[in-house]
Amino acid sequence: DAKTTQPTSMDCAEGRAANLPCNHSTISGNEYVYWYRQIHSQGPQYIIHGLKNNETNEMASLIITEDRKSSTLILPHATLRDTAVYYCIVSHKAAGNKLTFGGGTRVLVKP
Amino acid sequence: GAVVSQHPSWVICKSGTSVKIECRSLDFQATTMFWYRQFPKQSLMLMATSNEGSKATYEQGVEKDKFLINHASLTLSTLTVTSAHPEDSSFYICSARDWGQVGQPQHFGDGTRLSIL
Repeated sequence: DAKTTQPTSMDCAEGRAANLPCNHSTISGNEYVYWYRQIHSQGPQYIIHGLKNNETNEMASLIITEDRKSSTLILPHATLRDTAVYYCIVSHKAAGNKLTFGGGTRVLVKP
Repeated sequence: GAVVSQHPSWVICKSGTSVKIECRSLDFQATTMFWYRQFPKQSLMLMATSNEGSKATYEQGVEKDKFLINHASLTLSTLTVTSAHPEDSSFYICSARDWGQVGQPQHFGDGTRLSIL
């Protein structure tokens, strides 16, 4: 699986948009980009995923660059409950859809 | 949305005991499930891929005789930690995906915290 690079940590202001970057420069054409988050002592929670196009759901938006070498997860209005570790993962069906977790970004939303 | 249920959520037992953890997909069929382990302040590490009706595939360094996996139905996989020791204490998490749809995400259980005394 292609590796991803994320900032170790970032702080966000409550009520403001949080933009979480992810680099995946070795991604192949048929690998999806998945975002998960893990709140302390819980299992990872699925947020969003995409292949080429930008995606939006009730939780977040995913912006994928045209060359697919990087992406940004956007939490439009961060709340204190969004404090978590956010993981950006690329995965492909041919690899059995294994998810290889890196260190993620530890996001702290502050009042 | 897809729900994955894990049981139990917390186990405390004596050294040498075997512990079974269940992972169920509640509203979809999962021919493949995954088992992860997470130590404090570390990321999730994939232990094995559980395949319905066949042997599990273990990641390098994971002892298959210690971590027994059974995937007897399309909605249930079990992980048994045999003769558990304190170093096996960890957070064990399973995931599953609805394989009927390409590219669909995996969904995770809430994890099982295992403490071996």
